[in-house]
Amino acid sequence: NAGVTQTPKFRVLKTGQSMTLLCAQDMNHEYMYWYRQDPGMGLRLIHYSVGEGTTAKGEVPDGYNVSRLKKQNFLLGLESAAPSQTSVYFCASRSSPGPSYGTQYFGPGTRLLVL
Amino acid sequence: AQSVTQPDIHITVSEGASLELRCNYSYGATPYLFWYVQSPGQGLQLLLKYFSGDTLVQGIKGFEAEFKRSQSSFNLRKPSVHWSDAAEYFCAVGGTYKYIFGTGTRLKVLA
Repeated sequence: NAGVTQTPKFRVLKTGQSMTLLCAQDMNHEYMYWYRQDPGMGLRLIHYSVGEGTTAKGEVPDGYNVSRLKKQNFLLGLESAAPSQTSVYFCASRSSPGPSYGTQYFGPGTRLLVL
Repeated sequence: AQSVTQPDIHITVSEGASLELRCNYSYGATPYLFWYVQSPGQGLQLLLKYFSGDTLVQGIKGFEAEFKRSQSSFNLRKPSVHWSDAAEYFCAVGGTYKYIFGTGTRLKVLA
């Protein structure tokens, strides 16, 4: 049982390049989240999904797109990377009503550097 | 507006001393409240959570937190800090779908 995994762990991009971050969970969770973490700012929600085929905007969605084609996967895309998107990205998942309702489980993070 | 405030950016305590990390929130309904810990270069690990019931909740690693509705607070406490507790601590408030995190408190433990 791997929990929440993220690919890649680290990536360097040049301004204007695109990339996709992959989040996978094996807990059959309905809800999935993408956050970015910047020094002194805590975690800020980028996008989230409440089920397969659904996505919604969070606090800082601009410059990012997401897709949830399969229940276990949540992809975060950067179409044209900017230096302001240099950050650590965390994926999280949580179950819908159940014993651990409300608790988010986090992946290990992806460190992204945009030059 | 919904928000979470952790007023202390850094806290330094001696090993064996007691610890209290502050968290205040603004939320329209009864929130779900969480404390997470993050060690350097790691993801976030849940310490404890409050959904309802007893306002004093126990978590892992000897931590506890008390929900005080009248003060909109959910402070984290530990009676005796260990060197391994040095990390960053995040308070979070959640509703049906979304969560809001505080900016974190970095704990340093002196030997």
